[in-house]
Parts: sequence; C-alpha cells; structure tokens
Amino acid sequence: GESVGLHLPTLSVQEGDNSIINCAYSNSASDYFIWYKQESGKGPQFIIDIRSNMDKRQGQRVTVLLNKTVKHLSLQIAATQPGDSAVYFCAENNHGSGNTGKLIFGQGTTLQVKP
Amino acid sequence: EAQVTQNPRYLITVTGKKLTVTCSQNMNHEYMSWYRQDPGLGLRQIYYSMNVEVTDKGDVPEGYKVSRKEKRNFPLILESPSPNQTSLYFCASNRGLGYGYTFGSGTRLTVV
Repeated sequence: GESVGLHLPTLSVQEGDNSIINCAYSNSASDYFIWYKQESGKGPQFIIDIRSNMDKRQGQRVTVLLNKTVKHLSLQIAATQPGDSAVYFCAENNHGSGNTGKLIFGQGTTLQVKP
Repeated sequence: EAQVTQNPRYLITVTGKKLTVTCSQNMNHEYMSWYRQDPGLGLRQIYYSMNVEVTDKGDVPEGYKVSRKEKRNFPLILESPSPNQTSLYFCASNRGLGYGYTFGSGTRLTVV
C-alpha cells in the first residue's frame, strides 16, 4: 500500500551544523512532494516543495532532494538554529481514487538542536 | 493575511454531546480537508471536499460528518462524540492537485 515514511523518529544536531532529514515513499506515481515543519502547539507549516520533474530545489537555508529511482526524499537545513527545533513531515500528493488534493503524510522526525 | 481559521482551539466535552468545529479559509481554495493527528499514527484524513456541495470520506471518517455549503467554510461535526475521538484536529485547504496545504492552528478535543 501507499506509505510515506521517515527513517528516524528523532535527530539531534549541534547548533550551526547542517541537518539532513530523510523520507522514503512507496507510490511511484506521486509527482509532488512537500516538507512541513510543526512546532509545538501549532499547525504544520509549509517549508518547501518539489515536483517530480526536478531532483533538487533550494530555498532559504533549506534544500530538498528527490531521488525517484529509489523513491527517496530528503530535507537539508544549513546552519541549523534553535528555532529549527520542531517535527518535520514529508508529504506526497496522492493521485489515487480521485481525491486529487489529498496529501499523505509521513510519521515525522523530531529535530532537536543543541546549543 | 491568507489563512485557515478554526475554532475552538481547545474543547473538553462529554461522551454523546454533539459538537461542531468550525473552519474557514480566505484564499478561495476549492479543496478543503480535515485531519486528525495522533501520537504514533501521524496525520490521517477524515473528510475532504473538492468544492461546494462535494464532500467525500477520507481514511478515518467513522463518527464524523462535514458539510460544504459555502466555498470558504467546512465545519466538522461530531454527532455523538466518544473518547476515541480525543485528538488534535486540523483543517487544511489548497488549490487542488499539485499544491500544498495551508493548515489551521488546530483544535485539541478531549472527550470524557
């Protein structure tokens, strides 16, 4: 069945280091992927997205990499800051059953930034 | 400001007492959806709507109802809440296929 998963439930990094959060997806027909950040007590917040016709996209301090061959997605955060501490979710656009706007979410990785 | 507004933020209720969680978006999005978030289970879709008067079940629809009479509003109705519906609920909207969601701030519901 379809699933979107993250490799590690928790990632701990030192402030100033780069962070890499990974995600594996199973639906090879998915063509749109998003990373969300969820801080405690808040709703998920859009970080960056990528479509399947690309393999890399950069934002401010963040980069998303897409490897369609192995169905793998990663989020890289440069110079991680304490404010980056949150739960990060990957999500994919589901093309099945006509529910075209639906996103399927992974379980989430908690990023802890040590000062 | 473009946003999804849901109310209330917190709600404690008793088993069987009907309740409604409201959701409104100001972005003219056609697609709206309700999710619940539970530890270890992640975000699961309850119901969705692709346009006015067009709603359908998501992955966990049992015990919930929705309506979409206007484009901007998508309330979630629990006719007879039970303790297993204690959860964190999010309303979300987007323009449809190939677009990300904008989420509301969440409603933490406790059913005792």
